[in-house]
Amino acid sequence: EPEVTQTPSHQVTQMGQEVILRCVPISNHLYFYWYRQILGQKVEFLVSFYNNEISEKSEIFDDQFSVERPDGSNFTLKIRSTKLEDSAMYFCASRKGQGGNQPQHFGDGTRLSIL
Amino acid sequence: AQSVSQHNHHVILSEAASLELGCNYSYGGTVNLFWYVQYPGQHLQLLLKYFSGDPLVKGIKGFEAEFIKSKFSFNLRKPSVQWSDTAEYFCAVSLLKAAGNKLTFGGGTRVLVKP
Repeated sequence: EPEVTQTPSHQVTQMGQEVILRCVPISNHLYFYWYRQILGQKVEFLVSFYNNEISEKSEIFDDQFSVERPDGSNFTLKIRSTKLEDSAMYFCASRKGQGGNQPQHFGDGTRLSIL
Repeated sequence: AQSVSQHNHHVILSEAASLELGCNYSYGGTVNLFWYVQYPGQHLQLLLKYFSGDPLVKGIKGFEAEFIKSKFSFNLRKPSVQWSDTAEYFCAVSLLKAAGNKLTFGGGTRVLVKP
């Protein structure tokens, strides 16, 4: 069964540095998402992306965050100047098509640790 | 804004016991409902989903869930658990007509099945 893949599995970065988290969604999927889960807290929506543009973003997704689909396969999340509170597990998800009856498929996540 | 609450943070039970995990959501409009499971070290996997029709939904691995619209609930059940059901379970909601169909998650319930 096709899977969403994320790299790296664990990223350790100094505060203030830029980090790029990478995701390869399932190949025929059209909708892409990033979520994060801070340790001990809920999984939180960050951003959704469709047709090469952001379709929705949360309050968390401020100017330090950006997403990009640089080619036909990758979907990246960039955090420009990391803060300690950005430490979390980041999940990428993709969905096949239009309509609510298409579930999202998740990757294994990237654990981001900010020092 | 919609919210999702799961009543139990931790559940411990023995093999062959019955399991029921509560989930309530706050949004009054038309919603899509999901249960995801995360086995240790693995990604979020879809257990089952409800979009419309029969409010009793059957999923994988013997799980089922019942949508009770009047109670804004979508409780997950399994009549007889196995040790392999040890995992964290997440209830999630998306709005039917939302542009990006983002998921709003509950806090998760960690289930430990003792052999």
